[in-house]
Amino acid sequence: DTGVSQDPRHKITKRGQNVTFRCDPISEHNRLYWYRQTLGQGPEFLTYFQNEAQLEKSRLLSDRFSAERPKGSFSTLEIQRTEQGDSAMYLCASSLTPYEQYFGPGTRLTVT
Amino acid sequence: ILNVEQSPQSLHVQEGDSTNFTCSFPSSNFYALHWYRWETAKSPEALFVMTLNGDEKKKGRISATLNTKEGYSYLYIKGSQPEDSATYLCALSGAGSYQLTFGKGTKLSVIP
Repeated sequence: DTGVSQDPRHKITKRGQNVTFRCDPISEHNRLYWYRQTLGQGPEFLTYFQNEAQLEKSRLLSDRFSAERPKGSFSTLEIQRTEQGDSAMYLCASSLTPYEQYFGPGTRLTVT
Repeated sequence: ILNVEQSPQSLHVQEGDSTNFTCSFPSSNFYALHWYRWETAKSPEALFVMTLNGDEKKKGRISATLNTKEGYSYLYIKGSQPEDSATYLCALSGAGSYQLTFGKGTKLSVIP
């Protein structure tokens, strides 16, 4: 399968714990995006990388969130001191051009 | 800030019926409009990307139109099948930004 992959697919954690998600983009794609979808809402933009540079960050990305893309390949999204409001589907997408973003299946986070 | 509205929120149709959904958006600062289909437990799948006023795109039984002057797009499904059951998301990209702004989606259920 040469699509965008995300790991894990599901994560249950207790409030206050740190979690890290991984995204592997389509291999030739230099652009990578993170989105978050909460119940009843559409996906909301979190951050954007071009190669290893983080070029856009949403105000939704509080200081408890950090994203990295070392060497311009895979990306990680870490949430520190998780809160119940962080429960959501975290989606990763990649693209070669600005026109079309290819999404992974998402990581569903449940904070108890 | 782009505001993307989709209607209806959900829709139940009988197999064989044709249906359509609406996506409304502010006509200023428009760059491209995207339609995605998102089936449960799968990755959102890109259906269409449209940029020009009057654009019409078609993929099998699904088609879409775009009116950038009045700020709306329609997605049509002809002869709905149970496998069309999914959430259909509309998203906008604005000039100068790679992030997508999504609507809340239209959840379609096709009853056999």
